[in-house]
Order: sequence, then structure tokens, then C-alpha cells
Amino acid sequence: GAVVSQHPSWVICKSGTSVKIECRSLDFQATTMFWYRQFPKQSLMLMATSNEGSKATYEQGVEKDKFLINHASLTLSTLTVTSAHPEDSSFYICSAGTKRGRSSAFFGQGTRLTVV
Amino acid sequence: ELKVEQNPLFLSMQEGKNYTIYCNYSTTSDRLYWYRQDPGKSLESLFVLLSNGAVKQEGRLMASLDTKARLSTLHITAAVHDLSATYFCAVEATNAGKSTFGDGTTLTVKP
Repeated sequence: GAVVSQHPSWVICKSGTSVKIECRSLDFQATTMFWYRQFPKQSLMLMATSNEGSKATYEQGVEKDKFLINHASLTLSTLTVTSAHPEDSSFYICSAGTKRGRSSAFFGQGTRLTVV
Repeated sequence: ELKVEQNPLFLSMQEGKNYTIYCNYSTTSDRLYWYRQDPGKSLESLFVLLSNGAVKQEGRLMASLDTKARLSTLHITAAVHDLSATYFCAVEATNAGKSTFGDGTTLTVKP
């Protein structure tokens, strides 16, 4: 099956610093990447959708200048949390899809971000 | 806006018993997913349902889809402790290109 590799698995950073999370598709070309955030005991909330070579589409209420998404190749997408604050602490999960305009069932392992 | 409602949100079962988790959604859909999530882990894909009347089974879990009723069910047969986890349904509305998740059902199977 399709493998999506997400790194790091966990990260602790100081308030005000930036953190980059990588999501790679290992055995297929990911035309579309989805980035989700999950707070404890809650569901997944879609943050943004990115198509390779295009700008990401952000969901309502998600600050595009704070959560920078790059999808420059068919196997790599990155999410950078800029000027992180404690309220950004969450579980971030990527999902990679092979078709533009379709959701995907292939998820990365997730990244636990703790901002102190 | 697509709304996805799962119930129950919490389910405590005895081993060996059967139960059903329900997933209702508010608009027409192209596909529906069921996932399992263990504590601290990412999602594991269980089923993808693409058409009305679709039924898929894997082990003690069986999922079905009724697009006319906008309802999917995840049926658990003869539950065992290893099935304890949180189960999510996710729905891709027609032409949406993205999924909306239900709130999840936390299942605890007791001996």
C-alpha cells in the first residue's frame, strides 16, 4: 500500500520560534497533500489543501501567514508553523493523494508539536 | 456546508457482544471512509465506500453505505479487547475534493 512518511514524530520548541514538518510519499506521486490538526480528544480538522506546484488553499480560520505550506514536488510537502505559541501545540497529520480534487486515505504518522 | 454526525461518541462494550456505530452526513457524497485511531497514533484506514449499497468486511468489522439515507454504519461483531480505539468516519462531498470528519466514537471493550 501507499506509504506516507511524516517527520518529525514529535518536536518541542520555544514560543516564538518556527517549526517545519515534512510529509513524503515514498512509493507514489502525491498530487495533492492535505494537512490536518487534531487537538486532544477531538476530531481532525482540515487546515489546508495543496496541489503540487500550486499555492495551498486554506480552510476558513486558518492563518496562511502562520502556517506556511510548500508542495514543490510530487513527493514532498512541508508545513512550517511560524512564530509558534503554546496554543499551536497539537497533533499535525498529513495525508497524500494521487488525484487532484479527491480526498485520500493515506496518512502520515503525525507530528506531536509542543510549544513551551 | 457538509456536516458529519457520528453516534454514539462513547461506547463501552463487553467482549463477545455486537454493536453498531452510525455516521450520518448532510449532503450528497462521492465516498466515505472509516478509520481507526489508537491513542497517540495517526489514522489507520479501514474501509472506503464508494457506492450506494456498498458493504465491506474485514475481520469483526463490517461497514455499509446507504447514500439515499446519507448513512453509513460500522458494525462490530463479537467484540474483542484489541478493537478498543477511536473510530472516525470521514465524508467527501460530491466535487468537494476534501473530507470532513465526524467527531469520532471511542470504543472500549471490556473483558
